[in-house]
Amino acid sequence: DGGITQSPKYLFRKEGQNVTLSCEQNLNHDAMYWYRQDPGQGLRLIYYSQIVNDFQKGDIAEGYSVSREKKESFPLTVTSAQKNPTAFYLCASSISVRDEQYFGPGTRLTVT
Amino acid sequence: GQQVMQIPQYQHVQEGEDFTTYCNSSTTLSNIQWYKQRPGGHPVFLIQLVKSGEVKKQKRLTFQFGEAKKNSSLHITATQTTDVGTYFCAGLEAGGTSYGKLTFGQGTILTVHP
Repeated sequence: DGGITQSPKYLFRKEGQNVTLSCEQNLNHDAMYWYRQDPGQGLRLIYYSQIVNDFQKGDIAEGYSVSREKKESFPLTVTSAQKNPTAFYLCASSISVRDEQYFGPGTRLTVT
Repeated sequence: GQQVMQIPQYQHVQEGEDFTTYCNSSTTLSNIQWYKQRPGGHPVFLIQLVKSGEVKKQKRLTFQFGEAKKNSSLHITATQTTDVGTYFCAGLEAGGTSYGKLTFGQGTILTVHP
């Protein structure tokens, strides 16, 4: 069964803690992405990766970090430097950056 | 940087009425993609337009890409309750330093009253 998995679905953390969100795909896609979605708003790009061992900052990269050591995996770390981390985080992948993106189910992060 | 504006933000229609959402980019696009997100769900790809002036249809949905490749529209004929959700356009910038970065519009939230 091919697709993108994100875990966990809901995540709760205390302020000041770093937290890592998981994203795995078995679609053999080269490109992967992380977006943040706030209520009533569109998707804002955090980071994207066109190929393994390479990634670029998106529009709102401050307070976040990523790694792309394997083609299938693109974890996102929300650091304590991110001022408003509570949001819905979506991971996506595509064959290349010019192609349509397939989204995972998302992780809803709440930081108190 | 590139901006993609989408209007309207909200649209309430009676079932059977038509619906249109519009998307405008501040820069020329390489392509434009449309996605639908059901309430509580994740975005799902609908279509991609690449050519200037391109028009594509999917059953009751009609997608258009402007001649200048800076605007696009999605029109739904005779809406049904299954059309409820948020419709996003997303533009891929043509060249420049932001190659590969898809910029999403804010989305149009469609509500269909039975």
